[in-house]
This record gives sequence, structure tokens and C-alpha cells, in this order.
Amino acid sequence: EADIYQTPRYLVIGTGKKITLECSQTMGHDKMYWYQQDPGMELHLIHYSYGVNSTEKGDLSSESTVSRIRTEHFPLTLESARPSHTSQYLCASSEFSTGELFFGEGSRLTVL
Amino acid sequence: DQQVKQNSPSLSVQEGRISILNCDYTNSMFDYFLWYKKYPAEGPTFLISISSIKDKNEDGRFTVFLNKSAKHLSLHIVPSQPGDSAVYFCAASEAGTYKYIFGTGTRLKVLA
Repeated sequence: EADIYQTPRYLVIGTGKKITLECSQTMGHDKMYWYQQDPGMELHLIHYSYGVNSTEKGDLSSESTVSRIRTEHFPLTLESARPSHTSQYLCASSEFSTGELFFGEGSRLTVL
Repeated sequence: DQQVKQNSPSLSVQEGRISILNCDYTNSMFDYFLWYKKYPAEGPTFLISISSIKDKNEDGRFTVFLNKSAKHLSLHIVPSQPGDSAVYFCAASEAGTYKYIFGTGTRLKVLA
């Protein structure tokens, strides 16, 4: 069973605020990912990491930043939120050998 | 340029009948494919995967078929159950990259 956790599940904030979306996994997976999904649209990869101190930008340009200081933790930060950042953010991890992605329950962000 | 396409945004099927969800891809370097199921306000849940060295993989009521020459895969659910009602995403990965590209999803509704 996958153990990957995201907080907060829901967040409503005003424009210009700094926010951090937390993602933690207890499976010791090397690879971690952040996807962004708008309703009815595909999941867009915005950041990924192959391991500690490794971060890469995904296929969709994003103003967010990530860090990977510990294997189990992959937080995403928006320095100054805007209404265009309103979306669902999904964190995932995978074990190097199998390739299956395990997802957290998502963080739904609304920026007013 | 969408590399993974699910051209049917929605599908309705009677309980007990077969559900067939389709997915097309354009990148011939993709070698690993996955299907996910997603309920509203939750993260995607892994269903089944297939490697490009196979053309079929079965797990209980779920079977995935891969036609590499047509760059097409399909997910068969039989028999369909009302609890299968969800959005289904296919995803593809290129060898060695462990980056997953997702389609836009197909909303399946199984009618009781």
C-alpha cells in the first residue's frame, strides 16, 4: 500500500501570499514528482526529482519551486500566489525499478 | 503537442457489460504504459500497466492491450460495475526517463 501524504488538502488564499504545499512519502522512493491538473485536463508534470539534492523542471512551465533535502520530503513553494495558480497539485513517487507512480490525494489551491 | 491522447472525454456503459477505454500516443520511444483511475478530490490510483515487450496484460476484471504498430492501447473492464465510475487516465513513459506523460482522461459512467 502506498504511503504518500499531501497537506493541505484544500487551501484558499489571497493574491501575493507565499504558500508551501507539503508532500511526504514513507516508502523510501527515490523518484518524486509534482503534477498540476485543471478540471477536465491532463496531468502536467511541473517538477521531478531523482533523489536527494536533485530537482528538475517538468514539461509545463511553472513559477513554483521545489526542494529535495530529504528522500521522504518534496515540498512545492509559490513565492507570490496569483489567481492563475488556482489548480489541483498532485504529488507522486516511484520506486526506481518498477516504474509505477503512487499518488497522494492532492492539494486543491484557490487563489482569490 | 499532446503526446498521449484520449479522444473520448466520456463513456457510459451498462452494469455487467464491457467498458473499453482507448488511448493513442505519438512518441515511438514510449515503452511503458499505465492506466490510472481518479475519483473527484482524490489522487489517481494505479490500475494496471504494460511494457512494450508485451501486447496484453490482465489483472482480474482489467485487461490492457497494446498495439505498438498503431501506437494504441486500450483498457477493457469486464464486467463493469457502478463502482468503476470515475475518470480514467492513461500514461506513457520513455525508457530511462521515468517521466510520465498523461492523457486528458475519459470519464466512465457505469449505469446500474
